[in-house]
Amino acid sequence: GAVVSQHPSWVICKSGTSVKIECRSLDFQATTMFWYRQFPKQSLMLMATSNEGSKATYEQGVEKDKFLINHASLTLSTLTVTSAHPEDSSFYICSASTSGSRHEQFFGPGTRLTVL
Amino acid sequence: GQNIDQPTEMTATEGAIVQINCTYQTSGFNGLFWYQQHAGEAPTFLSYNVLDGLEEKGRFSSFLSRSKGYSYLLLKELQMKDSASYLCAVRGYGQNFVFGPGTRLSVLP
Repeated sequence: GAVVSQHPSWVICKSGTSVKIECRSLDFQATTMFWYRQFPKQSLMLMATSNEGSKATYEQGVEKDKFLINHASLTLSTLTVTSAHPEDSSFYICSASTSGSRHEQFFGPGTRLTVL
Repeated sequence: GQNIDQPTEMTATEGAIVQINCTYQTSGFNGLFWYQQHAGEAPTFLSYNVLDGLEEKGRFSSFLSRSKGYSYLLLKELQMKDSASYLCAVRGYGQNFVFGPGTRLSVLP
């Protein structure tokens, strides 16, 4: 149980285009979803936290107009990188959390974005 | 502020025991997690501590001391497949996690 999927797993795009990444909890309802970015040989950096039906909470330094997050249902959240630039190339990972005492996060497999 | 420290890299021999330390200073504490991450893959859950003491799970054990802001992950009978990054993460107020920089462990034959 507690499987989280991401799509696509790998994407290459031209500079200036927008890319949408989907994150789905397959066998549970996720009250909260998190979006992380990870550069090579670095740890995970939280970008934003989203609760179903409400606006995402962005971490300091993350542009909300550039990284659009939609959490339309308890099983789906999307991250859209708008007007992507080469410096946005990174490994994007989502995670989903259920309500409960432990609040463990279940991670998706990640999406590798390369912007040319 | 939030700060989590781990050693950057460690090396150990197959079959040995290795201890990876994590110290933290966070605003609020609602649990400490250890994750394993292989290169190019997402993190996978290893352990969770919210009370002081040792949690044992097969070859992996994790220890927590809340008063010292300290945890360690102990890996026994190391195998080559244990070569990975190990991330310490603290859950503060709410559900947000703060991740440490990760420790890259290399297991040598």
